[in-house]
Amino acid sequence: GQNIDQPTEMTATEGAIVQINCTYQTSGFNGLFWYQQHAGEAPTFLSYNVLDGLEEKGRFSSFLSRSKGYSYLLLKELQMKDSASYLCAVSYNTDKLIFGTGTRLQVFP
Amino acid sequence: DGGITQSPKYLFRKEGQNVTLSCEQNLNHDAMYWYRQDPGQGLRLIYYSQIVNDFQKGDIAEGYSVSREKKESFPLTVTSAQKNPTAFYLCASSNSGGLGDTQYFGPGTRLTVL
Repeated sequence: GQNIDQPTEMTATEGAIVQINCTYQTSGFNGLFWYQQHAGEAPTFLSYNVLDGLEEKGRFSSFLSRSKGYSYLLLKELQMKDSASYLCAVSYNTDKLIFGTGTRLQVFP
Repeated sequence: DGGITQSPKYLFRKEGQNVTLSCEQNLNHDAMYWYRQDPGQGLRLIYYSQIVNDFQKGDIAEGYSVSREKKESFPLTVTSAQKNPTAFYLCASSNSGGLGDTQYFGPGTRLTVL
């Protein structure tokens, strides 16, 4: 199978930094997406990584290691509005995306 | 405003009835997708289409049907054969459906079968 693993839940404090990890099977890997999803709403695109390294986009950064089958999403200067689920999705050498179960992040004041 | 619309946002049906969920996009995207989301599970692909008048089954197509008669529209019918139809249904589209193509999602339809 093509299991995507990420933690189910995480908590953090406003203003802090949080890292959400995602591991995946490397065979046939093409690229990795991160989406944010607030409860009851549509997932919104955050980032796409295809090469090794860190991609920074404002308060959010995403890292990829192709050889290790590992990615993380880094959220800095956390705000209450960052409370959401974060979905890791992998594109393999097919035309479909495989989604992880999502990590529910709760930010407390 | 460009985007993907799904209607209705909430839908209730009696068991045994077929129901059709609407998905429209004005992004001029070639590819469209239907996913199902259940608590504690990742998004699961039901059907997808990369071009008008053509579509493929995803991982959980049983009990569902689709059509792609127009580029902008990709309606999903949940038939009475679907054993557990209550779920949150998400439609998405992407430019070409190729490898690495970013998918953009509609607001979703929450279907409850009573």
